[in-house]
Amino acid sequence: KAGVTQTPRYLIKTRGQQVTLSCSPISGHRSVSWYQQTPGQGLQFLFEYFSETQRNKGNFPGRFSGRQFSNSRSEMNVSTLELGDSALYLCASRQGPTNEKLFFGSGTQLSVL
Amino acid sequence: DAKTTQPPSMDCAEGRAANLPCNHSTISGNEYVYWYRQIHSQGPQYIIHGLKNNETNEMASLIITEDRKSSTLILPHATLRDTAVYYCIVQTQGGSEKLVFGKGTKLTVNP
Repeated sequence: KAGVTQTPRYLIKTRGQQVTLSCSPISGHRSVSWYQQTPGQGLQFLFEYFSETQRNKGNFPGRFSGRQFSNSRSEMNVSTLELGDSALYLCASRQGPTNEKLFFGSGTQLSVL
Repeated sequence: DAKTTQPPSMDCAEGRAANLPCNHSTISGNEYVYWYRQIHSQGPQYIIHGLKNNETNEMASLIITEDRKSSTLILPHATLRDTAVYYCIVQTQGGSEKLVFGKGTKLTVNP
């Protein structure tokens, strides 16, 4: 079974731009969650989707948004990028709506200049 | 805020057992203890989880104290490839709360 796939692996943007990151979960997994990881703050929860519905949201500004498609693939969008948005963005999938072990992708490393 | 407390860093000699502690003094009866690890530049990887009994799999052993307020992850024969950040989290099974990872323990295995 293929693992969680995130694209692109690396991304460089400038302040004020917007960015869209993509995540393809493991086949059969219907829950996708997103995390931001920075050296100072560690791994922080952004949001989780199940069956195209957002189930949980972390404490991030409205510039951070996401969605999930009917095939369970997910995208997250960050608008009006700030320098502080530079981070590793990780996607994780799991089979169902209830808590069980997460399978993470390798992440997208976003650099905002 | 994270519900767990872990030491920021630990060292271990190659071939020796690595014992990583985690404090979760406010754990509730229906919360499980999960361990993940993150090797540099990769996403976290699931290691093991347990409720109250000790657990063992091909990667590690998990020892949970009787009062469930703390646990220890044991890597029986650490190798250089076990150098990583180890995260301990608590979560309900069947629940849907957002998962909170702390900063974990940076384990360095030395040759």
